[in-house]
Amino acid sequence: DAKTTQPPSMDCAEGRAANLPCNHSTISGNEYVYWYRQIHSQGPQYIIHGLKNNETNEMASLIITEDRKSSTLILPHATLRDTAVYYCIVGPYNQGGKLIFGQGTELSVKP
Amino acid sequence: NAGVTQTPKFQVLKTGQSMTLQCAQDMNHNSMYWYRQDPGMGLRLIYYSASEGTTDKGEVPNGYNVSRLNKREFSLRLESAAPSQTSVYFCASSEDISSYNEQFFGPGTRLTVL
Repeated sequence: DAKTTQPPSMDCAEGRAANLPCNHSTISGNEYVYWYRQIHSQGPQYIIHGLKNNETNEMASLIITEDRKSSTLILPHATLRDTAVYYCIVGPYNQGGKLIFGQGTELSVKP
Repeated sequence: NAGVTQTPKFQVLKTGQSMTLQCAQDMNHNSMYWYRQDPGMGLRLIYYSASEGTTDKGEVPNGYNVSRLNKREFSLRLESAAPSQTSVYFCASSEDISSYNEQFFGPGTRLTVL
């Protein structure tokens, strides 16, 4: 599985967009990009996933570069409740379950 | 709909003691997983069960056994606990192993081994 690189921490002002980057330069053609987050002491929560097109749901948007070597998770209007560790994971579609969590980015949303 | 439930929430063991962590899901999911999370680290997969009746090793299976009791329940057993197994244990489930991988996680069990 491809490895990912994320900044260890980021700050964001409440109400502003939070843009969380992820590098996955060794991603292969059948690997998806998944994002999960973990609010303190809770189990991780799925956010979004994508292959090569940009994706949007009610929680966030995922922008994947054309070469697929990096991606950005966008929380359009961050709130204090979005303070969490965000994990960028890459893995094949048909090998479910083998999510490899790195250390993620600790996002602090400040008032 | 409770989702994924885990018992107990907290446990303290002495070295060498055994215990079983219980996990149940009510979403009719085929696949279930056990992870551990050490302080300041990401989650690591211990074992998973693609479907009822099957189990497979993950990244860190040593010192653990699992049982997929039925479609709903997946238990994790520590036969002889060691201090290195002090961790937070998360159970998760997903529709199936070949789906798009959205996993639903339980609240975790915080285990301390003295």
